[in-house]
Amino acid sequence: GAVVSQHPSWVICKSGTSVKIECRSLDFQATTMFWYRQFPKQSLMLMATSNEGSKATYEQGVEKDKFLINHASLTLSTLTVTSAHPEDSSFYICSAKRLAGERYNEQFFGPGTRLTVL
Amino acid sequence: GQNIDQPTEMTATEGAIVQINCTYQTSGFNGLFWYQQHAGEAPTFLSYNVLDGLEEKGRFSSFLSRSKGYSYLLLKELQMKDSASYLCAVRVQGGKLIFGQGTELSVKP
Repeated sequence: GAVVSQHPSWVICKSGTSVKIECRSLDFQATTMFWYRQFPKQSLMLMATSNEGSKATYEQGVEKDKFLINHASLTLSTLTVTSAHPEDSSFYICSAKRLAGERYNEQFFGPGTRLTVL
Repeated sequence: GQNIDQPTEMTATEGAIVQINCTYQTSGFNGLFWYQQHAGEAPTFLSYNVLDGLEEKGRFSSFLSRSKGYSYLLLKELQMKDSASYLCAVRVQGGKLIFGQGTELSVKP
């Protein structure tokens, strides 16, 4: 159990276009999902916390109008990179936190989405 | 602010033991996690500590000292497949994970 999927696994787009990435918890409900970005040879940087049915909370320095997050259900959160530019090229990873009741509310990570903006 | 430090890279020999250290200074603490990440893949969970002491899990052990803001991950009987990046992460308020920069471990034959 505790499987998180992301779609697409990789995407190439032209500069100025928008790209949507989906994150799904396949066999559990997640009230909270997190979006991370990882540049080559660097660690994961938290971008935002996505809560089902409410607005996402963005980390300092992350543009909320550029990275639109929607958490419409307990199993799905989406990240839309609007007007993408080459500097947005990165590895985007989501994680989902199971509802309370687990021993330590572990976060389960998706497989990541490789975004390349030309 | 949030600060998590770990060595950038380490090298060890197959069959040996290696210890990866992590020190942290965070506003709030609700557990420390270790993850393994292979290039191009998502992190996979290795261990969790919230109380002081050692947690053992097969070839992997993790230690925590909250008073010192210190943790280490111990890998025994190293195998070639253990070559990967090891991430130390502290959970803070709201369930957020703050990651260290990761330690790239190379296991040589």
